[in-house]
Amino acid sequence: ETGVTQTPRHLVMGMTNKKSLKCEQHLGHNAMYWYKQSAKKPLELMFVYSLEERVENNSVPSRFSPECPNSSHLFLHLHTLQPEDSALYLCASSQGVDRNYGYTFGSGTRLTVV
Amino acid sequence: AQSVAQPEDQVNVAEGNPLTVKCTYSVSGNPYLFWYVQYPNRGLQFLLKYITGDNLVKGSYGFEAEFNKSQTSFHLKKPSALVSDSALYFCVVDRMDTGRRALTFGSGTRLQVQP
Repeated sequence: ETGVTQTPRHLVMGMTNKKSLKCEQHLGHNAMYWYKQSAKKPLELMFVYSLEERVENNSVPSRFSPECPNSSHLFLHLHTLQPEDSALYLCASSQGVDRNYGYTFGSGTRLTVV
Repeated sequence: AQSVAQPEDQVNVAEGNPLTVKCTYSVSGNPYLFWYVQYPNRGLQFLLKYITGDNLVKGSYGFEAEFNKSQTSFHLKKPSALVSDSALYFCVVDRMDTGRRALTFGSGTRLQVQP
């Protein structure tokens, strides 16, 4: 384990369902990120939280809703998703948003929308 | 436009042979360059980075990468491949964009090492 834990590992949901992805880190990092990894496409940055405040939202549809209640936890709330949202969702953390700090990634949640 | 190119979707190499995974980039400013590896059903793991200094960077698991400014390349290399090196490799450019950190990922190269 890398120190960044994501649950669940796999999720199958219908287009009318509401579900949440969870990410947890106890590395003492204060920045957390959500990435989307689709087949044969580069990783796409979705959201950035620094010190529990959202600092970046990369034009992500409103059916994805992030929440960062504290510096150790990050959630991604999902509702009325589309089949094209099926992907691997990766959470990452870093000690700061300064680029001297590398990222630590979780193992991801494999999401399938049916 | 800022971009990172990994021209090969897949690289096949026999165990014990040297391997190279290619990466070229097109970004402004002074980027930091990274390689990450992703094993099946796992997240990305840091391999190595180049910020400044010696153009040859050594990283984890015997990997190294050579920064070439004139060719804007940052190819990943290993003198002798192992079957356990089989994974998906990502080249990443980390730069500052209007005061914000911006990572650009390559599309990934799958390395297959045959016994």
